[in-house]
Amino acid sequence: RKEVEQDPGPFNVPEGATVAFNCTYSNSASQSFFWYRQDCRKEPKLLMSVYSSGNEDGRFTAQLNRASQYISLLIRDSKLSDSATYLCAVFSGNTGKLIFGQGTTLQVKP
Amino acid sequence: SAVISQKPSRDICQRGTSLTIQCQVDSQVTMMFWYRQQPGQSLTLIATANQGSEATYESGFVIDKFPISRPNLTFSTLTVSNMSPEDSSIYLCSVRQGMAEAFFGQGTRLTVV
Repeated sequence: RKEVEQDPGPFNVPEGATVAFNCTYSNSASQSFFWYRQDCRKEPKLLMSVYSSGNEDGRFTAQLNRASQYISLLIRDSKLSDSATYLCAVFSGNTGKLIFGQGTTLQVKP
Repeated sequence: SAVISQKPSRDICQRGTSLTIQCQVDSQVTMMFWYRQQPGQSLTLIATANQGSEATYESGFVIDKFPISRPNLTFSTLTVSNMSPEDSSIYLCSVRQGMAEAFFGQGTRLTVV
C-alpha cells in the first residue's frame, strides 16, 4: 500500500461546479498536511496547508480527518483556470519526509 | 517563502554522460531535498541533501548514480551519472523548514537520447 494515495482522475467538470478530492495516508504519525497545485510543465506550488480544524481560502476548503486518515480539498464555483493537477502531501515527523500522492487531474470545461 | 533558482531548466544529453543540476536558495534553509517526477507520475524523493555530510538516499537510489553535494545552507547540486533513457525525467530541488510546507525550484527537464 502506498503511503499517500489519491484518485488520479481525471475529473472533468463544468464551470461553476463543486468538486472534491480525497487523499488517504497510511502513517498515523503524520503531522502536517498540504495541498499543492501543479500546472503542466511547471513545479508544484503550495495551494494551502491543512489544519486540524479545517481551513478555507476563498473557494477552496481543506479538511483533515485523523480518525480515518484522510484529507480533502473542496473547490467551489470551479473556474477554467482551476484546471491543473492537485497533489496532496503528508509530512511524517518520525521519518522527516514529505511524501506526495500521485496527484488528481482536474479539467474544468466551459 | 524561499526563492529557489534551479539550473539548467532543461537539457538533452547523450547516454553515458553525466549532468549536474544546481539549486540556489536566497536564504539559509535547514532541509534541502531532491525529487524526481517521471512523465505522468507524482514526485519521488531521491535523497535529503545534508549540509556538510553525505546525503541520505531513499530506497532505489544510490550515491554512485546520484551524487549530491551540499556545501552550505543555501546551495546543493545533484548529478545524474552515466545516464540512460530511463533517467529522462523532471528533477526538482525542494526546501523546507521543519514541519512546514516545501517549496520547489522550477525543475530541470532532462531528456537522455
